[in-house]
This record gives sequence, C-alpha cells and structure tokens, in this order.
Amino acid sequence: DGGITQSPKYLFRKEGQNVTLSCEQNLNHDAMYWYRQDPGQGLRLIYYSQIVNDFQKGDIAEGYSVSREKKESFPLTVTSAQKNPTAFYLCASTAVGVGNQPQHFGDGTRLSIL
Amino acid sequence: KQEVTQIPAALSVPEGENLVLNCSFTDSAIYNLQWFRQDPGKGLTSLLLIQSSQREQTSGRLNASLDKSSGRSTLYIAASQPGDSATYLCATIDMEYGNKLVFGAGTILRVKS
Repeated sequence: DGGITQSPKYLFRKEGQNVTLSCEQNLNHDAMYWYRQDPGQGLRLIYYSQIVNDFQKGDIAEGYSVSREKKESFPLTVTSAQKNPTAFYLCASTAVGVGNQPQHFGDGTRLSIL
Repeated sequence: KQEVTQIPAALSVPEGENLVLNCSFTDSAIYNLQWFRQDPGKGLTSLLLIQSSQREQTSGRLNASLDKSSGRSTLYIAASQPGDSATYLCATIDMEYGNKLVFGAGTILRVKS
C-alpha cells in the first residue's frame, strides 16, 4: 500500500539536544511538507520541498532544518535553537503539476521535552 | 495573507442528527478547498476536495459546498454516527508558497450514542 510513514511515533528531547524526525513516502510524490500542530490551533508550515535537493522555509522555520537528498525522504531536525518544540509534527506529500490533488499525511510524531 | 476560520470550535450532537460545519476564508481567489478528518493522535485523512470551479462535492453521507464570492464552505454530515466523532479541518492552498495548505483551527465533533 502506498503511503507516508513517520517515525518515531513519540520522541523526547533533552535540553540542548537536536532530534530528527523521519518522513518517508512511496507515493512517488515530488512535493513534501512539514507541519506543526499545537492544541487548539490549525497546522502551520515549517518547511516544504518541491523537488530533490531543494527546499524552502515555511511560516515557522526558525529552530528547524531539513534535507531532501532523495525523493522519498524528507527528514526534519528540531535543533536546540527551537525553544518550544513540544508539538505534534505532521509530514505530507502531494503530486506536482497534475492539477488539483489532495495532500496525503502521515500519522505524525509527538515531540515532548524531558 | 489567507486566513481560514472554522465555526464552531466544538460541537456535540446526538446520534442520527444532521449537522453542518462551517469554514470561512478571507481571500476568495482560492485554487481549491479541502476538508480533512483527524482522529486523536493521528494524521489527517482527506475527506473531500472542492476545486474552485465547483460548487459542491459528495462522498457517502458527506457533502461539502463552496461559495467563493462569500468566502465560505460548509461540510454537511447526514445521519451522524458515533464513528464520526473526530476533529474536522478545512484548508485552502496558497499557490505562492509551493501549494502549502492554510488550515483552520478545526471543529471538534462528538456524536453521542
């Protein structure tokens, strides 16, 4: 079955530590996205990538970094510069250039501070 | 800058009732509007996508309408069931930012048996 796999499901970060969230898709989608979800708020875009080896900042990129070395993979690193990292992180992907296509989402990673 | 608002923030109804969830957006020049369902601790599942040229889309007991001129969309759920309990989010595409989705905060729906 095609889909998006996020891991781990739960992640804990210590003070001053960088942590990396994994996102893998086998949908052959060109575009991938990272969103952050806080309680009572809608999703906010952190980073997005429309093609391999290229990515752009979203609305709340400070304290985060990404890479897109392979089409299937778009890992997100939460750095120690992100002072309030506790949130639910969602990865999404969509086809590019084929008209209106819904975005597909993974099951998310919940990040907490130890 | 596009802003999306959803009303009500939470809704509790008895099983079998028909209900309407509301979504409004500030910029009527949208490409499409999408409704999602989110179960607790889970990712988003796409329910319906309405293109800007369409007025409505239907899937089973769900019907979504779009009125671009008034900046509104509604999600109608017929004969609600306890399994419909979830958070429902609407979102539009921002074409200037790589097709990112601009989300509302969601409506938490509880259907009581």
